[in-house]
This record gives sequence, C-alpha cells and structure tokens, in this order.
Amino acid sequence: SQTIHQWPATLVQPVGSPLSLECTVEGTSNPNLYWYRQAAGRGLQLLFYSVGIGQISSEVPQNLSASRPQDRQFILSSKKLLLSDSGFYLCAWSQLLAVYGYTFGSGTRLTVV
Amino acid sequence: AQTVTQSQPEMSVQEAETVTLSCTYDTSENNYYLFWYKQPPSRQMILVIRQEAYKQQNATENRFSVNFQKAAKSFSLKISDSQLGDTAMYFCAFMKWSQGAQKLVFGQGTRLTINP
Repeated sequence: SQTIHQWPATLVQPVGSPLSLECTVEGTSNPNLYWYRQAAGRGLQLLFYSVGIGQISSEVPQNLSASRPQDRQFILSSKKLLLSDSGFYLCAWSQLLAVYGYTFGSGTRLTVV
Repeated sequence: AQTVTQSQPEMSVQEAETVTLSCTYDTSENNYYLFWYKQPPSRQMILVIRQEAYKQQNATENRFSVNFQKAAKSFSLKISDSQLGDTAMYFCAFMKWSQGAQKLVFGQGTRLTINP
C-alpha cells in the first residue's frame, strides 16, 4: 500500500533562517507531488506541484522554492524565512490521473518568530 | 478560472442530527471531479466522498452522501446520524486539469461542531 511521510511535524524558526521540509512517498512510482499551505482558519492554497523528477511548477510567487531530487521525494525550501511564511504546510501525492483525489501527509506546522 | 465557494464558515448540530454543508463551484468544463475532505483537529486531510460529474447518481459513503446539481453547480454534503467524531473542518474541492497535472482547488472550509 502507498504511504506518504512528511516531517518535521512542528517547526519554529527565526526570521531570516533557512527552511527545508521533506516529503516522501512509498509504494508507488512516478507520483504527482504537491505542496499546499493552509493559513490559520482558511482553505488550502497550492504552492508547487511536480509531475516528474526535476520538474517543478509554481502556482504563486513567493519566498519559497521546491525541488524533486528523486522520484518519490519532494522538498520545500526557503533561503530566508519571513514572518508571513508561517502556516501549516501539507504535502500530497496522486496518480497521474488523480480521479480519486490526493492523499495528504500529516502536515508541518511552521511558526516563524 | 475555477472557484469553489463554501458559504457557511461554521455550523453546529446535536449528535444524531442530520446536517448539510453547502458548496458551489464555477467552471466551464463538462467533465470533472468533485470531492469533500475532512480535516479533524489532528489536521490530517481525509477524503470523505467523491463525485464524477458525468454521473447523475449522487455518491454515497455510509452516513455521508452528496446532492450534486450539475446545472446549478452545487455540491452539498449531507451527514446523517452525526457523531462526535464528525467534528472537523470540511473542505469542498474541485479537480481541474492545468499544465499537465490535475489540481485540487479548495473552498475556504466549513467548521462543523457536533455537540453531545
């Protein structure tokens, strides 16, 4: 069966520090991968998605970047965090034809102080 | 552009009651998929139910069912015999094709509280 792992679960970082959040998927190959951000009490906003190794598409301009160094690994990064980067970050995967929706990771709560 | 609107920010019902959460969407596509996700206090996103737009029959999963009105672009979720464990944020989502990927567009969510 397929599983998705996301870590860390909680992170407190100072303004201006770097960020690296990691997501890995097991039990499938060539998944589509996604990063979403959820601001407090609000819906989910798609940040990045990837349909293959090294292929990254950005949905919104921001202080963050994403990379996919391996087929089932998706990384969200920042060189210098801003206060506005605080939020709940969710990784998700789907098959190419995502007719059954996405499967989400457990999320990372990021607080920038 | 596809948008998803959930007009009820919060709802509260008593245990065992039936509750209906509203969702409308905007699209020019004819074939698409709609979803309801549940996010309990743990914040794990859990798929509740899905609907294929080309199917007229409303989807049902145990106590959860949808009322899909394609012409009205409405996709409401009905929870029957509500339980305390149904307390969660509920998100309606629309699946769209864009730039080689199928992307989920979410509404702003409805916070549902089931009271004992």
